[in-house]
Amino acid sequence: KQEVTQIPAALSVPEGENLVLNCSFTDSAIYNLQWFRQDPGKGLTSLLLIQSSQREQTSGRLNASLDKSSGRSTLYIAASQPGDSATYLCVPNTGRRALTFGSGTRLQVQP
Amino acid sequence: DAGVIQSPRHEVTEMGQEVTLRCKPISGHDYLFWYRQTMMRGLELLIYFNNNVPIDDSGMPEDRFSAKMPNASFSTLKIQPSEPRDSAVYFCASSHSGGVTTDTQYFGPGTRLTVL
Repeated sequence: KQEVTQIPAALSVPEGENLVLNCSFTDSAIYNLQWFRQDPGKGLTSLLLIQSSQREQTSGRLNASLDKSSGRSTLYIAASQPGDSATYLCVPNTGRRALTFGSGTRLQVQP
Repeated sequence: DAGVIQSPRHEVTEMGQEVTLRCKPISGHDYLFWYRQTMMRGLELLIYFNNNVPIDDSGMPEDRFSAKMPNASFSTLKIQPSEPRDSAVYFCASSHSGGVTTDTQYFGPGTRLTVL
């Protein structure tokens, strides 16, 4: 059974800092890995999807890397803004439709 | 498209009452998922459908929970009778079968259920 660990569980930083969110997973036989964002009281929004054959994926200030063999992924947020405050969830996909979600990193960016 | 639509957004009920949550997936999506999110257990998949047919309901906690998808544009999750431990946020998500390696699930805003 896939287990997903996200570190840190919570993070509070001043605006403008560069951040790294970490994710580790136990089953490295994945097809892809997604990072989602969840705002309080709202659903999940997919941020980035990295295929198992890729090493990284970028979207604006976000960059996600994947080391499939070691079961690790990182989400890098450049020049953080208060609007980035949310919970970030890492989701490795082993090919089953049932996704396994990490517990998330709760990010607070102070203005 | 309006995205995945869920109703109601908030539901407060008393123990023992029947609760029905509703979901309208994105048009053209042939997969529909029901998730439950709690502080203790995080996000858990309850059941998912493909072309209106339930495929995996192993996450449904008890017989008190049931889900239906009578057509491609509507699904319900019913809890009867409800219990306080059912209090959670219930999410519906949908995706299309563009291939399990590339498709992404689109989530609705969730229904926050409180059972007193």
